[in-house]
Amino acid sequence: TQLLEQSPQFLSIQEGENLTVYCNSSSVFSSLQWYRQEPGEGPVLLVTVVTGGEVKKLKRLTFQFGDARKDSSLHITAAQPGDTGLYLCAGGAGGKLTFGQGTILTVHP
Amino acid sequence: EAQVTQNPRYLITVTGKKLTVTCSQNMNHEYMSWYRQDPGLGLRQIYYSMNVEVTDKGDVPEGYKVSRKEKRNFPLILESPSPNQTSLYFCASSFGFNRGKMYGYTFGSGTRLTVV
Repeated sequence: TQLLEQSPQFLSIQEGENLTVYCNSSSVFSSLQWYRQEPGEGPVLLVTVVTGGEVKKLKRLTFQFGDARKDSSLHITAAQPGDTGLYLCAGGAGGKLTFGQGTILTVHP
Repeated sequence: EAQVTQNPRYLITVTGKKLTVTCSQNMNHEYMSWYRQDPGLGLRQIYYSMNVEVTDKGDVPEGYKVSRKEKRNFPLILESPSPNQTSLYFCASSFGFNRGKMYGYTFGSGTRLTVV
């Protein structure tokens, strides 16, 4: 089983601060996805990155895929209370999608 | 509206009583999968299906069965539920793979199962 480790597990910050969430593995993935999940709902896809070194931006969110395709990061600029939620990374390989344990982000007004 | 529909949303049952959680998608997706989500353990894949009549085990398949007789439906069957199967279950679908890269999932809203 390929493992994805996310850090930190919990993040509590004030509105306007910047933050970075990391997703690391010893395995190579053909693609990596980031999801956001709110309580009582299923995860919602934010982005898919497929090329080593790739950087994608989604408004205040910046996603990066490591050169070796073993790690990824999510950076949020000027966090807002609406960013609060569980952030999950997921790596695809061999017909399966493996999820990290997630990062619970709380942004206080 | 493109969606994955799971039923029921909540279910309380007793040990040993067979149950089925239904999952249906309207996006013509080839790939479907079941996950369970537990505190501290994250999302773990139970079974997945790359197409009709093609299913394969995920990381935690013990105690579960699936079938894929039609493209849109992928039910999860618990033949003899036990308390350790109490969990939050998600069905998900996608277009599968393109040149080895996996398309993103669309998830259902989840089924919270309690086995007493």
